[in-house]
Amino acid sequence: DGGITQSPKYLFRKEGQNVTLSCEQNLNHDAMYWYRQDPGQGLRLIYYSQIVNDFQKGDIAEGYSVSREKKESFPLTVTSAQKNPTAFYLCASSMRGQGLQPQHFGDGTRLSIL
Amino acid sequence: EDKVVQSPLSLVVHEGDTVTLNCSYEVTNFRSLLWYKQEKKAPTFLFMLTSSGIEKKSGRLSSILDKKELFSILNITATQTGDSAIYLCAVWNTGNQFYFGTGTSLTVIP
Repeated sequence: DGGITQSPKYLFRKEGQNVTLSCEQNLNHDAMYWYRQDPGQGLRLIYYSQIVNDFQKGDIAEGYSVSREKKESFPLTVTSAQKNPTAFYLCASSMRGQGLQPQHFGDGTRLSIL
Repeated sequence: EDKVVQSPLSLVVHEGDTVTLNCSYEVTNFRSLLWYKQEKKAPTFLFMLTSSGIEKKSGRLSSILDKKELFSILNITATQTGDSAIYLCAVWNTGNQFYFGTGTSLTVIP
């Protein structure tokens, strides 16, 4: 079945450490997105990529970095510069044209500070 | 600045009640408005609304869009405990960007 796979489900970060969250999709979607969700809140956009080798900052990009070397993959690195990384991270993808469901989500990664 | 505002932020109702969730937006190059239900994990897609005044319905849930006044409502009738979730509204623009509101947290008590 086609879908989006995020890993790991849970991740713990030590002070001063960079960690990378994986996001892979086999839906052949051009666009991919990373969102951060804090408890009881909506989704805030970190980064998005409309095509391979291109990405743009969202509303809260500071302390994060991404790459888009392959269409299927859009990993997110949470750097030590992100002072409050504890949150739920959701990856999504969408196709550029019409569709019944414009955006598909992975099951998320919960990141906590040790 | 593009934005999506949902109200109320949270709501507690009894089983069997009817609820109305609101979503207003100011987003340039509007394409569609989306509603999602989120429980523990990924948001689940509910509706996509593109045209004004056409109600979308799925069981006890229904939604409608007003593109003149820039808002949408999501109605849930005869609520059940399984309806407890965060309901997210998002606007999709022609640049393939999605703008999310802060969500409405609904709790249905038996």
